[in-house]
Amino acid sequence: AQKVTQAQTEISVVEKEDVTLDCVYETRDTTYYLFWYKQPPSGELVFLIRRNSFDEQNEISGRYSWNFQKSTSSFNFTITASQVVDSAVYFCALSSNSGGYQKVTFGTGTKLQVIP
Amino acid sequence: EAGVTQFPSHSVIEKGQTVTLRCDPISGHDNLYWYRRVMGKEIKFLLHFVKESKQDESGMPNNRFLAERTGGTYSTLKVQPAELEDSGVYFCASSHLDRGGTEAFFGQGTRLTVV
Repeated sequence: AQKVTQAQTEISVVEKEDVTLDCVYETRDTTYYLFWYKQPPSGELVFLIRRNSFDEQNEISGRYSWNFQKSTSSFNFTITASQVVDSAVYFCALSSNSGGYQKVTFGTGTKLQVIP
Repeated sequence: EAGVTQFPSHSVIEKGQTVTLRCDPISGHDNLYWYRRVMGKEIKFLLHFVKESKQDESGMPNNRFLAERTGGTYSTLKVQPAELEDSGVYFCASSHLDRGGTEAFFGQGTRLTVV
């Protein structure tokens, strides 16, 4: 069975602070993909990143960075110098071979509020 | 290129009524998925179409839910009769046949409120 845990339900930070959103996953598969999606107040799910299980290199994209650690089954997401536009619900997700890479298993989401 | 489009964006219905949600996938995408997020919980897989065929409907909660994709283009998800616990946001996603769920594009969702 697959599971994605986002222990932080809601986080509030003041603008320009850094914030890390935690994600822990469970899967028996050795080949899998991890994702982060953003759901702004407008409602749509916006794809942020996809990493496969064989690539543990951390990634940085502007103010966003991701730390993938297989040893702890974690895929944490950090926003540096947060901005009000970062306020949204963020979902971590997993897709693996046993699901034919068709089903995506999502976490419960972390609501981030950036206060000006 | 137009994205995945869902109609309506918001629907409020009374318990016992019927509601039909529609999803227009990205043109050329054979894979179409329905997901649902009940308040405060995770986004859960409902079912997967390949063209007009249901490949996996293991996530459908019960027989009050009926999904169709006639002609392999748009899809509808009908809830009949709706219950209070059906309230939530229903997402549709689509992808190319060989991309699966790892490269799926999501729509903006339909927020369903059953009162």
